[in-house]
Amino acid sequence: NAGVTQTPKFRVLKTGQSMTLLCAQDMNHEYMYWYRQDPGMGLRLIHYSVGEGTTAKGEVPDGYNVSRLKKQNFLLGLESAAPSQTSVYFCASSPGYGYTFGSGTRLTVV
Amino acid sequence: AQTVTQSQPEMSVQEAETVTLSCTYDTSESDYYLFWYKQPPSRQMILVIRQEAYKQQNATENRFSVNFQKAAKSFSLKISDSQLGDAAMYFCAYRNYGGSQGNLIFGKGTKLSVKP
Repeated sequence: NAGVTQTPKFRVLKTGQSMTLLCAQDMNHEYMYWYRQDPGMGLRLIHYSVGEGTTAKGEVPDGYNVSRLKKQNFLLGLESAAPSQTSVYFCASSPGYGYTFGSGTRLTVV
Repeated sequence: AQTVTQSQPEMSVQEAETVTLSCTYDTSESDYYLFWYKQPPSRQMILVIRQEAYKQQNATENRFSVNFQKAAKSFSLKISDSQLGDAAMYFCAYRNYGGSQGNLIFGKGTKLSVKP
């Protein structure tokens, strides 16, 4: 039982490049979330999904897109990376109460 | 919108002593959940304790306990007999009881250092 798996764990991007972060869960959870963590800011919600095929914006959605084509996967995309998107990204899943977090992806945009 | 405030960016405690981390929140809801998460240097988010707002009894998990004051919208975490392994970032978080989002709202965190 792997729980929530995030790939990659580390990545360095150049400004303007694109990339996709993958979150996979094997617990059949309906809800999935993408957060970003910045020093002194806590975790802030980027986008979330309440089920397969659904997505919605969170607190800080600008510059990101998401997709949930399969229930177990939640993808976070950066179309044109900016230095302001340097952060640690966490994915979480939930059956509706209780949360399982991935181990995070450290992204640096130079 | 709900907010969570942690007013102590950093705290320090001597090993074996007791420390209390503060958290206040703002909500107009009557039913909700409150959580404390620990984030060690490994970056993993670890659930420490949770409290349902409808329960008057304060939650306890071994050396960790909370002081939940619903009227004051306060949710502090007490760590007893502090250990070196307790050193970490601690986040207070809030979740509405119902609703379609189910997302956690986090405070900015408190960095706890434990001195040997």
